[in-house]
Amino acid sequence: RKEVEQDPGPFNVPEGATVAFNCTYSNSASQSFFWYRQDCRKEPKLLMSVYSSGNEDGRFTAQLNRASQYISLLIRDSKLSDSATYLCVALSGGYNKLIFGAGTRLAVHP
Amino acid sequence: DGGITQSPKYLFRKEGQNVTLSCEQNLNHDAMYWYRQDPGQGLRLIYYSQIVNDFQKGDIAEGYSVSREKKESFPLTVTSAQKNPTAFYLCASSRQISNQPQHFGDGTRLSIL
Repeated sequence: RKEVEQDPGPFNVPEGATVAFNCTYSNSASQSFFWYRQDCRKEPKLLMSVYSSGNEDGRFTAQLNRASQYISLLIRDSKLSDSATYLCVALSGGYNKLIFGAGTRLAVHP
Repeated sequence: DGGITQSPKYLFRKEGQNVTLSCEQNLNHDAMYWYRQDPGQGLRLIYYSQIVNDFQKGDIAEGYSVSREKKESFPLTVTSAQKNPTAFYLCASSRQISNQPQHFGDGTRLSIL
């Protein structure tokens, strides 16, 4: 079983739609979680950290459920520019080891 | 501007050749990392370094070597022992404080001639 698992998609949604991505992690000792965005043939860029209480940044909302070892990302009012691959990432270990999911691809169409 | 610079952007390797990928950061980060990304897969950790003159193997270190002689620099050598080197290589850095996210350079694409 992979340490961080994501639905690969693709999710094809129209502009303005709300879309949710889910992610599960297997290591209960994981300490922190992040969502990164990766455009085609580019480096990953930090989208947001994920806090236990849930957090929101504009149109993006991240949630963490430690009991179920589950992380989610909600994107409201999708824009064409949101088209990318979204990477779920768990941080564990004393040396800030990041464990990456394989990513979920989002395609927003007009 | 502060950031992480990787070079070259594209690199081609001949059979039996060693090649070195450069990674420089001016963020004053202590920790630096090298990842490999294959199509449709997540990033996999090759090597990491928490401090100058020290580095540790990641999950897929075989066929690679690194050095950390300066805080700003963490070059990666892909040796001839790495039989499947074609991939997208990403360098990252972070503050040494725990729970800090990593920030990435824009990557090097390595291909076999």
